[in-house]
Amino acid sequence: AQKITQTQPGMFVQEKEAVTLDCTYDTSDPSYGLFWYKQPSSGEMIFLIYQGSYDQQNATEGRYSLNFQKARKSANLVISASQLGDSAMYFCAMREETTSGTYKYIFGTGTRLKVLA
Amino acid sequence: DGGITQSPKYLFRKEGQNVTLSCEQNLNHDAMYWYRQDPGQGLRLIYYSQIVNDFQKGDIAEGYSVSREKKESFPLTVTSAQKNPTAFYLCASRRTEVSNYGYTFGSGTRLTVV
Repeated sequence: AQKITQTQPGMFVQEKEAVTLDCTYDTSDPSYGLFWYKQPSSGEMIFLIYQGSYDQQNATEGRYSLNFQKARKSANLVISASQLGDSAMYFCAMREETTSGTYKYIFGTGTRLKVLA
Repeated sequence: DGGITQSPKYLFRKEGQNVTLSCEQNLNHDAMYWYRQDPGQGLRLIYYSQIVNDFQKGDIAEGYSVSREKKESFPLTVTSAQKNPTAFYLCASRRTEVSNYGYTFGSGTRLTVV
């Protein structure tokens, strides 16, 4: 079963507008972490923001914020005041504990965001 | 500056050949990971290693092998047993003692079978 679901393969947003990228997850572990990464066309993955399952407040990092709704198991990324440089693929990921007690990360299929001038 | 270096950036392989992708980090991170990225499928975990001389299979380990002889290095070998190796390969590392610490990724290697 898919553990991280990103239902928007592609999104458009006008420059300076805000945009929300959706992410839902599935886990029975009470302790987990959720991450968002940006992948420009050059290919490198850039860490944007983190939300822990026990965090009381939604995470924010500059123009990025995470709309964390634990009961709905959603962790949507909100980008405010979009810039042309925000055009990229965005991946949602979840930290999962393995049977050996280590961590691995599971990624969604990504959302391609295009910012229009 | 610390970071992860993957080489080469582009790699071409003939069918039936083994190839090795390099991943080196100078971040003093304990954990290292290899992911494969195909269009429309996100990133899938191939192998990971939490400490030197130890590694575990990820979700799609068949046809791949790794070694972790040094903390800084985690090379990935794509063997001839991997039937569809054309993909973008990403190496990552992280500090294991900080649970909310995200991965640091390399810039990737694009492998093409010719």
